[in-house]
Amino acid sequence: EPEVTQTPSHQVTQMGQEVILRCVPISNHLYFYWYRQILGQKVEFLVSFYNNEISEKSEIFDDQFSVERPDGSNFTLKIRSTKLEDSAMYFCASSLAGESDTQYFGPGTRLTVL
Amino acid sequence: QKEVEQNSGPLSVPEGAIASLNCTYSDRGSQSFFWYRQYSGKSPELIMFIYSNGDKEDGRFTAQLNKASQYVSLLIRDSQPSDSATYLCAVIWNSSYKLIFGSGTRLLVRP
Repeated sequence: EPEVTQTPSHQVTQMGQEVILRCVPISNHLYFYWYRQILGQKVEFLVSFYNNEISEKSEIFDDQFSVERPDGSNFTLKIRSTKLEDSAMYFCASSLAGESDTQYFGPGTRLTVL
Repeated sequence: QKEVEQNSGPLSVPEGAIASLNCTYSDRGSQSFFWYRQYSGKSPELIMFIYSNGDKEDGRFTAQLNKASQYVSLLIRDSQPSDSATYLCAVIWNSSYKLIFGSGTRLLVRP
């Protein structure tokens, strides 16, 4: 069964450093998403991406964040200058269609900012 | 402000019983409703989705949607200890791509 994959599973970084989280969505899916979940809190939407551009983003997704689809398979989330409060699980998701379609989640990357 | 509310639990049921999980949402402009299961330290795993008023059954799971009451529920029949997890209700509103999640209900199934 096709699945979303993410690397690395755990990333530790120093405050102020840049990190790139990587995702490989399900191969025939067209819409891609990033969510995050701070320990003990709700899963929160960050951004959705379709046709090489952002289709929707949340207030959390400020200028420190960017997304890219550098090739036909990868989808990345970059955090330019990490803060302590960026420590969270980051989930990538993908869906075949857009609005209202089912989103399938990857296993997540645990980001720890020291 | 669009919000999704769930009782945090834990909801404790004996093995073999029916577990009933509830979710309310704040705005009538919602379109799609999802139930995800999340084991501790893992990612959300889709259980069911429902778009129309009424019931939708899939194996041991039944989702119920009542748009007039802004209420969606999940019933788990013949609960098993392996069903012990946090169940997340999520909603996509019209003209949006984002899932808005509730805080989840923790279910414990006692052997």
